[in-house]
Amino acid sequence: SQKIEQNSEALNIQEGKTATLTCNYTNYSPAYLQWYRQDPGRGPVFLLLIRENEKEKRKERLKVTFDTTLKQSLFHITASQPADSATYLCAGRGYSTLTFGKGTMLLVSP
Amino acid sequence: DTGVSQNPRHKITKRGQNVTFRCDPISEHNRLYWYRQTLGQGPEFLTYFQNEAQLEKSRLLSDRFSAERPKGSFSTLEIQRTEQGDSAMYLCASSSPNRDTSYEQYFGPGTRLTVT
Repeated sequence: SQKIEQNSEALNIQEGKTATLTCNYTNYSPAYLQWYRQDPGRGPVFLLLIRENEKEKRKERLKVTFDTTLKQSLFHITASQPADSATYLCAGRGYSTLTFGKGTMLLVSP
Repeated sequence: DTGVSQNPRHKITKRGQNVTFRCDPISEHNRLYWYRQTLGQGPEFLTYFQNEAQLEKSRLLSDRFSAERPKGSFSTLEIQRTEQGDSAMYLCASSSPNRDTSYEQYFGPGTRLTVT
């Protein structure tokens, strides 16, 4: 079955550094990948989408890449801030629905 | 427009009881999705509607679960004969008919179900 895998260990970084989160997919080729942010007790919030024919996408301090050879997407937050602390979810689009990974918790310390 | 709303926000029920949740999507959104999320996991797709038509259901969705969207606006998710394994956050999301943004799903705050 199609799978989206994210590092389940929390990522701890210092304010100002770049955070890099990894998303790997197996058993299918998603037409696109999405990244969402989720805060405790709240629903996910859409951040970025990258299509399979795009190598890189940027939005303000966010950058996402899509490598179809490695079957991987990387999500970068530059100049990270404590307010960026949250769980980040990767989701792949299959035929008609989204498959989410478990998410990676990011903790940015001042 | 206040976004996607869900009611109730919390529900505690005894095993064997039926529960119903409601989702009100963003008004112009024609697609509506239901997901379930347990602690430490990502949202798991349950079902989705385009207008009033239920177009897809997860094979993981047991017969005890049923969803409706009678007039293509709000939706309800009912769980019959609840089991402790049904305890989870139930999330609703909606998306726009605009081709350029239809992929972006707007999530509600969720309904947290606890089955005792």
